[in-house]
Parts: sequence; C-alpha cells; structure tokens
Amino acid sequence: EPEVTQTPSHQVTQMGQEVILRCVPISNHLYFYWYRQILGQKVEFLVSFYNNEISEKSEIFDDQFSVERPDGSNFTLKIRSTKLEDSAMYFCASRSHPSTDTQYFGPGTRLTVL
Amino acid sequence: TQLLEQSPQFLSIQEGENLTVYCNSSSVFSSLQWYRQEPGEGPVLLVTVVTGGEVKKLKRLTFQFGDARKDSSLHITAAQPGDTGLYLCAGTSGTYKYIFGTGTRLKVLA
Repeated sequence: EPEVTQTPSHQVTQMGQEVILRCVPISNHLYFYWYRQILGQKVEFLVSFYNNEISEKSEIFDDQFSVERPDGSNFTLKIRSTKLEDSAMYFCASRSHPSTDTQYFGPGTRLTVL
Repeated sequence: TQLLEQSPQFLSIQEGENLTVYCNSSSVFSSLQWYRQEPGEGPVLLVTVVTGGEVKKLKRLTFQFGDARKDSSLHITAAQPGDTGLYLCAGTSGTYKYIFGTGTRLKVLA
C-alpha cells in the first residue's frame, strides 16, 4: 500500500541553524501538508500546498518557515533559524483529490533544537 | 477560530468495557476524521464522516457525525488492550486546513 515517507526520522540541531525536513507524498496525490506536534500537545496545522503554491498557512508558519516541491516527488519544510521552541514532531501529509477529505500522514520527523 | 474539544482527555478502563469519546465544536465542518496515534508515530486514519447524522462502523468501533456537523463521537465496544492509544478527531470546513482536536488518551487494562 502506498505511504507517505519522511526523512530524517530524527534531527538534532543547534539553535540558529537551518534545517530541511523532507517528505515524499503518495505519488498521485495533489495536496500536501505540514503539521507539528509539540511533545504532549495537540497536532497543529502549519501549511497546505497545492499546485506549486501555498494554499493556506497558520499563524505559526511565519517568515522562518518555507515549503518547496523541488521535483516531482519531494516536499520539503525549511526552518531558516531554528529556535528552542521549534522542537517538535513534524508530520507531512498528502491528499489525493478535492472530492475526498482523506489525508494520509507520514511517520514524522522528530526535531530537537539544542 | 475553529476549535475541536475532545472529552475525556484521559480514560483508563478494564478490558471488555465500553467507552465513548466525544469531539465537539461550535463550528460546522464539512467532514470530520478520526485518527489513532501511537507514541512516536504519525496519526493513522480510522474513518472519515461527511454527512450529518452519518454512522460508520469499523469492527468494534462506531463513529457518528452530529446532525449539525459540529460534533462527533467514537464508541468502542468491548475494549481490548490493543485499543490503547491516543485518539484524535480532525475537521475541515472545505478549505485546505485541518483542525485537530485536543486528543483522548485511552488505556485499556488487561
């Protein structure tokens, strides 16, 4: 069964460093998402991406964040200058078609900012 | 701001008992999803409900979408230790954004 994959599974970085989290959505899907989950807290929407542009973003998704689909398969989340409070699990999700609301999540990347 | 409140937050029950988890909002959603999440993993979709009043069954799990599409419930019959996990509801209003609930952490004791 097709699945969303994410790399790396765990990323440790120093405060102020840039990180890029990578996702490979399910191949025929058109809508892509990033969420984060701070330890012990709820899953929070960051951004959605469709047709090579951001379709919606939350207030969390400030100028430090950016997303890109550099080729036909990868979908990346970049954090330019990480802060301690960026430490969280970051989940990528994809969805196939506007007529279905079903999104499929990847296993997540645990980001630890020291 | 759309919010989804889940209750209870924590639930610890004995194997074989029944339970219901609630997901409530003051906002209307075009669809609502239920997920289960294991520690260190991504949420896994259990079901999507779309129509007000809709009831879906998945083995011992019964999901219901409220008539007004503002709330939903998840009922588990004869809970088993394998049902232990974090249960999340998530709704969308037809935009690209999904709002997640606060979560219900279920522990089923053998």
